[in-house]
Amino acid sequence: SYVLTQPPSVSVAPGRTAGITCGGKKIGSKSVHWYQQRPGQAPVLVMFYDSDRPSGIPERFSGSNSGNTATLTISRVEVGDEAAYYCQVWDSSSDHPMFGGGTKLTVL
Amino acid sequence: QVQLVQSGAEVKKPGASVKVSCKASGYTFTSYGITWVRQAPGQGLEWMGWISAYNGEKNYAQKFQGRLTLTTDTSTNKVHMELRSLRSDDTAVYYCTREEGSGTGWFDPWGQGTLVTVSS
Repeated sequence: SYVLTQPPSVSVAPGRTAGITCGGKKIGSKSVHWYQQRPGQAPVLVMFYDSDRPSGIPERFSGSNSGNTATLTISRVEVGDEAAYYCQVWDSSSDHPMFGGGTKLTVL
Repeated sequence: QVQLVQSGAEVKKPGASVKVSCKASGYTFTSYGITWVRQAPGQGLEWMGWISAYNGEKNYAQKFQGRLTLTTDTSTNKVHMELRSLRSDDTAVYYCTREEGSGTGWFDPWGQGTLVTVSS
């Protein structure tokens, strides 16, 4: 089945830019979706179709996808952005979705 | 607004079954499928299966084949998830979520989660 690889953790200072990567074979040919999960809460969709933001998600969140890496970028990071972030694609070979292992974003 | 509300926490003994419900509101229930995802303590998200609220079509992860049953009740706008022969490693938070974008689907919104604890 298709494997998605995320760094376990990313640290960033408030006000700086954080990039969270999601690696997969030819992931640029797939649609990548991203979820934010704050501690003790359910996941929340923050990006779909690589770079589309759902209503209510700040413009500080953006996405890109090319080659073997998709990236969720958070500009002007705030303390409230501290959470785990998961990427997700649809694995056509198995006909089910796959999630990355998640990245814990720490705001220093 | 679109909302999914799940039933409450459960404690079960090994070998037992658990049934978790997910009530949808704020949209036409039969227009979307519902997916179940679980998250073991401190771990990531694991897809379990999907059911169409339109025609009951199902797709289960191979890992849960034979132990998992998803059903829908269009009279109450509920989806039920039953997992049988529970083991300690089934201890997890179970989420229901609505699937959008058929074929390249994403999930929005999510239920609040139901903690299932399996312990003797």
